[in-house]
Amino acid sequence: EVQEVESGGGLIQPGGSLRLSCPMSGFTANSNYMSWVRQAPGKGLEWVSVLYSGGSTYYADSVNGRFTIYRDNSKNRLFLQMDNLRVDDTAVYYCARGQLRWEGYFDNWGQGTLVTVSS
Amino acid sequence: DIVLTQSPATLSLSPGERATLSCRASQSIYIYLAWYQQRPGQSPRLLIYDASNRAPGIPARFSGSGSGTDFTLTISSLEPEDFAVYYCQQRSDWPPGSFGQGTKVESK
Repeated sequence: EVQEVESGGGLIQPGGSLRLSCPMSGFTANSNYMSWVRQAPGKGLEWVSVLYSGGSTYYADSVNGRFTIYRDNSKNRLFLQMDNLRVDDTAVYYCARGQLRWEGYFDNWGQGTLVTVSS
Repeated sequence: DIVLTQSPATLSLSPGERATLSCRASQSIYIYLAWYQQRPGQSPRLLIYDASNRAPGIPARFSGSGSGTDFTLTISSLEPEDFAVYYCQQRSDWPPGSFGQGTKVESK
């Protein structure tokens, strides 16, 4: 499996915005969906958002209204637009692919990109 | 929200020993549970889906069991590369689903 490589992370002040991206390698519209999952330093995993090929999107309550997941079909890339960032958004963000036949799990993960929200 | 509780928090074992990890759900999730392995500095890797099905490429020493609220991941004989953190995840109420807090398997 080709591993996704996320980009766009970095240090940002509270209230700022960042956009993360990852290539949608191996994605098949009728078989897969794409998600972002994050992991705060030294902590466990937290699902953030999902995008289905039909365009449906869902968000964790903690980011709903601040984050937007979308894809650019021409570039075959997945994005996460993060606005009004908070200190507790600090985490490694993983791009993760799922299989519709096991909907809800993630079978291919990127290497992750670190987002640090701090003043 | 469905809460997953993993135990123990840390498991200290030697290579070749058997590891038994537990994941308990706050309500029935049927068989909708997965297990992931995360080695230090690496991304998570799917091991088991729907309680007992090994993901492609996962060695046979990894097995999962359980249904309802109680689930187990068993590593029959620990290899050096198996020392890692293991997470369970449920998809019964996907989205959002939820993850457990993790069990660290460390070398004794």
